[in-house]
Amino acid sequence: EAGVTQFPSHSVIEKGQTVTLRCDPISGHDNLYWYRRVMGKEIKFLLHFVKESKQDESGMPNNRFLAERTGGTYSTLKVQPAELEDSGVYFCASSRLSQGDNEQFFGPGTRLTVL
Amino acid sequence: DQQVKQNSPSLSVQEGRISILNCDYTNSMFDYFLWYKKYPAEGPTFLISISSIKDKNEDGRFTVFLNKSAKHLSLHIVPSQPGDSAVYFCAASYTGANSKLTFGKGITLSVRP
Repeated sequence: EAGVTQFPSHSVIEKGQTVTLRCDPISGHDNLYWYRRVMGKEIKFLLHFVKESKQDESGMPNNRFLAERTGGTYSTLKVQPAELEDSGVYFCASSRLSQGDNEQFFGPGTRLTVL
Repeated sequence: DQQVKQNSPSLSVQEGRISILNCDYTNSMFDYFLWYKKYPAEGPTFLISISSIKDKNEDGRFTVFLNKSAKHLSLHIVPSQPGDSAVYFCAASYTGANSKLTFGKGITLSVRP
């Protein structure tokens, strides 16, 4: 079974530009989550999809961030326009719908650097 | 306002000895706890979890202990191996809602040969 994949692995852009990150979850996983880790700090939740619906977007920093999951498969996270403080590693995670454990499987992350 | 705290940023132990990684939480509504291990340039990998109805869960060399009254959990690794050197994140969530994970800042474990 393939794991969670993310593209690109690295992105370096200038302030004001737009970047789109992509996440492909594990096949059959209805839950998809986006997280972000800023240098040296904790991994912070951004938002949660159940299939194509946004279940919880309480962690989205502001309206410069737009996440989509059309068709309930892969997801994209667009940052427009990017600011310096958006730099960090963006992780995607997926899991099956569950009433018990909440084990989430993480992708390798996209390291975003905004100059 | 950090709800999950890993107050020690790093830990160094000798190979073969026990590693004890601590984690505290403030939100009493959390009822499911997980430990993730992370190597550089990789995503976090699930290690072990525990539900609030238990106080201990074991998986091979890894044991997690939960003290609900103290809002404290710990991960024990026995015996520690050099390959265990990584960053360990404690995370908390609510069961039954497929909810988000709330992470601590992580502890860097170094196991000396």
